[in-house]
Amino acid sequence: AQRVTQVQPTGSSQWGEEVTLDCSYETSEYFYCIIWYRQLFSGEMVFLIYQTSFDTQNQRNGRYSVVFQKSLKSISLVISASQPEDSGTYFCALSEASSSFSKLVFGQGTSLSVVP
Amino acid sequence: DMKVTQMPRYLIKRMGENVLLECGQDMSHETMYWYRQDPGLGLQLIYISYDVDSNSEGDIPKGYRVSRKKREHFSLILDSAKTNQTSVYFCASSRGGGGAETLYFGSGTRLTVL
Repeated sequence: AQRVTQVQPTGSSQWGEEVTLDCSYETSEYFYCIIWYRQLFSGEMVFLIYQTSFDTQNQRNGRYSVVFQKSLKSISLVISASQPEDSGTYFCALSEASSSFSKLVFGQGTSLSVVP
Repeated sequence: DMKVTQMPRYLIKRMGENVLLECGQDMSHETMYWYRQDPGLGLQLIYISYDVDSNSEGDIPKGYRVSRKKREHFSLILDSAKTNQTSVYFCASSRGGGGAETLYFGSGTRLTVL
């Protein structure tokens, strides 16, 4: 069973628009972390932002922020003022305290295209 | 320069051949990983290594084995490769004790098993 689910296989946006990418997950743990990565067309994985289950506020990192709905086990990545360079595949990943946060369980990814 | 290097970038093998994928990192990270990426499935953890000769199975270890004899080097071995092992393989490293945000990935090895 998929523990991390990204139901949008693809997404698109126009230059300057705000983009929201969704992720849901399953965990029975109290302390966990959700991390977002972007995969470039070269295959390189780039860290974007993370949110822990203890964070009381939604995290922000530059143009990236998250909307964390803990009770729904849902987290969305929000990209403000999207640019063509933001195109790529976005992955969310779950990391849990029981594995000392050393194991990441990835979602299927959402392929985003930002057009001028 | 913080880097995870994977060799080779592309590899084509015949079914039944042995495959060796190599990964190196220059950050003295304790923990290293092997993932495979398939369309529609994201990245799946094959093996994790917590240090030299301290390896643990991930979620899909069957058909794979690993070797870590030096901290900076982590190998993935496929004995008698199968066509369903055609995939893109990613190596990653992180500082010990978790800190998932500090996971560094290599650029991947695209393996095709004919």
